[in-house]
Amino acid sequence: EADIYQTPRYLVIGTGKKITLECSQTMGHDKMYWYQQDPGMELHLIHYSYGVNSTEKGDLSSESTVSRIRTEHFPLTLESARPSHTSQYLCASRKDVYNEQFFGPGTRLTVL
Amino acid sequence: KNEVEQSPQNLTAQEGEFITINCSYSVGISALHWLQQHPGGGIVSLFMLSSGKKKHGRLIATINIQEKHSSLHITASHPRDSAVYICAVGSAGGTSYGKLTFGQGTILTVHP
Repeated sequence: EADIYQTPRYLVIGTGKKITLECSQTMGHDKMYWYQQDPGMELHLIHYSYGVNSTEKGDLSSESTVSRIRTEHFPLTLESARPSHTSQYLCASRKDVYNEQFFGPGTRLTVL
Repeated sequence: KNEVEQSPQNLTAQEGEFITINCSYSVGISALHWLQQHPGGGIVSLFMLSSGKKKHGRLIATINIQEKHSSLHITASHPRDSAVYICAVGSAGGTSYGKLTFGQGTILTVHP
């Protein structure tokens, strides 16, 4: 059982609202990732972090931002949500690139 | 053309059948991952391999580095194996070493 958590699991929100999706892991992993997945489509990396105070943009351009102030915590923020942000957001972590990734349960975001 | 191609995209089987899902990739990789995603979105890592073959219960994963091809086999399939199976490859070089690129997934349905 992976010790990686995401909240909320489901979020329905109106256009223009600021939202923060939470991701926490208790495994002490340095590497953490945010993926976006539309229904029936493949996962795309939007942000990653290799440790505290390290954040990088992924392959898919995203208007979201992330922070990594603590090892266990990697929140994702949308300053002004739009319907185009409607998707599933999955957080993941791994000890290093030689080990498997553990995924959180995901947050399903709907922006009206 | 995607860097990671899976086949088939959809697979229907009867309980007890032997199942094979294929994954081909076009770039050098650090490792290949097989993941399982159930309805509801949660993703579980099944295998991470860079050579040869791995077995876990009824699941077997093989990889041929020269041919850039991997297969996931399920023996004695069961309805609880119904899920989306995702192949992902880790990049091999530079600052993005280990970063994953995902296939589009294979939707497996096993009927009783």
